[in-house]
Amino acid sequence: DAKTTQPTSMDCAEGRAANLPCNHSTISGNEYVYWYRQIHSQGPQYIIHGLKNNETNEMASLIITEDRKSSTLILPHATLRDTAVYYCIVSNTGNQFYFGTGTSLTVIP
Amino acid sequence: GAVVSQHPSRVICKSGTSVKIECRSLDFQATTMFWYRQFPKQSLMLMATSNEGSKATYEQGVEKDKFLINHASLTLSTLTVTSAHPEDSSFYICSARGSGTFKYEQYFGPGTRLTVT
Repeated sequence: DAKTTQPTSMDCAEGRAANLPCNHSTISGNEYVYWYRQIHSQGPQYIIHGLKNNETNEMASLIITEDRKSSTLILPHATLRDTAVYYCIVSNTGNQFYFGTGTSLTVIP
Repeated sequence: GAVVSQHPSRVICKSGTSVKIECRSLDFQATTMFWYRQFPKQSLMLMATSNEGSKATYEQGVEKDKFLINHASLTLSTLTVTSAHPEDSSFYICSARGSGTFKYEQYFGPGTRLTVT
């Protein structure tokens, strides 16, 4: 079963930062936090992952709280192409992914 | 980056027939492959995990005799839906994980849309 909870949907204005929260209060010490997104009728696309420290790449930033019970994915300048379902997943390296319901992000012009 | 392909992208089959879906890792060796199913407006549901050269491990509620998984090489896994019925119509997605730098992520294929008539 998924160990994460996310809001069902969010809107964001184009050009603004999109902040997507995720709760994972039962995360264990060696589990990573992963973020993927899925555009309609495509396979999920990797965005970012982290263990304890905040991470940033060309797509997004990942902020993980000190107790690791929650995290936030930040898309710094949302575009219309960022409209998708965003999934937060916790998993050990090499283990299965159990997807939750995700957050449907709509970027509004 | 690592690329995973699936074939076919779409397939329509008649009820009672079997259909095979292929999943290939194109530029890395996939020590583990995963198969998911996704119904409309729902999330991905893990069906099974397969390690190269081993029998697949199925999730609870997934019929192993109906969904045959073979992972005979480090670049190919197949899912065969046997005696398909309309309720098997779904979006089937595979993912792959490797070793070394490829061990941290799952790399997903583009999915296969199965319609059973």
